[in-house]
Amino acid sequence: GAVVSQHPSRVICKSGTSVKIECRSLDFQATTMFWYRQFPKQSLMLMATSNEGSKATYEQGVEKDKFLINHASLTLSTLTVTSAHPEDSSFYICSARDSGRAIDTQYFGPGTRLTVL
Amino acid sequence: AQSVAQPEDQVNVAEGNPLTVKCTYSVSGNPYLFWYVQYPNRGLQFLLKYITGDNLVKGSYGFEAEFNKSQTSFHLKKPSALVSDSALYFCAVRDPTGRRALTFGSGTRLQVQP
Repeated sequence: GAVVSQHPSRVICKSGTSVKIECRSLDFQATTMFWYRQFPKQSLMLMATSNEGSKATYEQGVEKDKFLINHASLTLSTLTVTSAHPEDSSFYICSARDSGRAIDTQYFGPGTRLTVL
Repeated sequence: AQSVAQPEDQVNVAEGNPLTVKCTYSVSGNPYLFWYVQYPNRGLQFLLKYITGDNLVKGSYGFEAEFNKSQTSFHLKKPSALVSDSALYFCAVRDPTGRRALTFGSGTRLQVQP
């Protein structure tokens, strides 16, 4: 089946630094990728929709200058958490929509656990 | 706006017994409904989806779900639970506007006791 990878799987950083998370679709092309955030024991909340070759669409309340999204190719989207603070600590999950399927299905990455000290 | 409700935070069932994880939805237009399972520190794994057709949808690992339009429900079921089924289960509905994002329910933790 389709595979989506995320790197790194876990990152610990100091407050004020920036962290980049990569999301790759390994065996299909994804014109659209989604970034979700999951707090402990809570559901996934959509942060933004990443479109290949164009600007990302952010959900209400998500700071676009803090969470920079780049979707430079059909298989890669990156999320950069700029000037990270402890409240940014969370589990970040990406998903990718297989552009080649008539009925779209989202495939999820394994997630990245960010801890900001 | 679409929404999904999972009324139970946790479901406990003995191994070998049938299990049901409840989900109700609210969406304008035809619903696209999904179930995902999440194991600790891992991403979501797709179980099954309803787009159209037969109301009973069969998915991975022996799970199935029944779409009930009149009750706006999409409960997840399995005839015989396994200890390895213990995990966090999410019901989701797809955005019908074309944006293709998923809206998730709050999740239900399934605990299967040996």
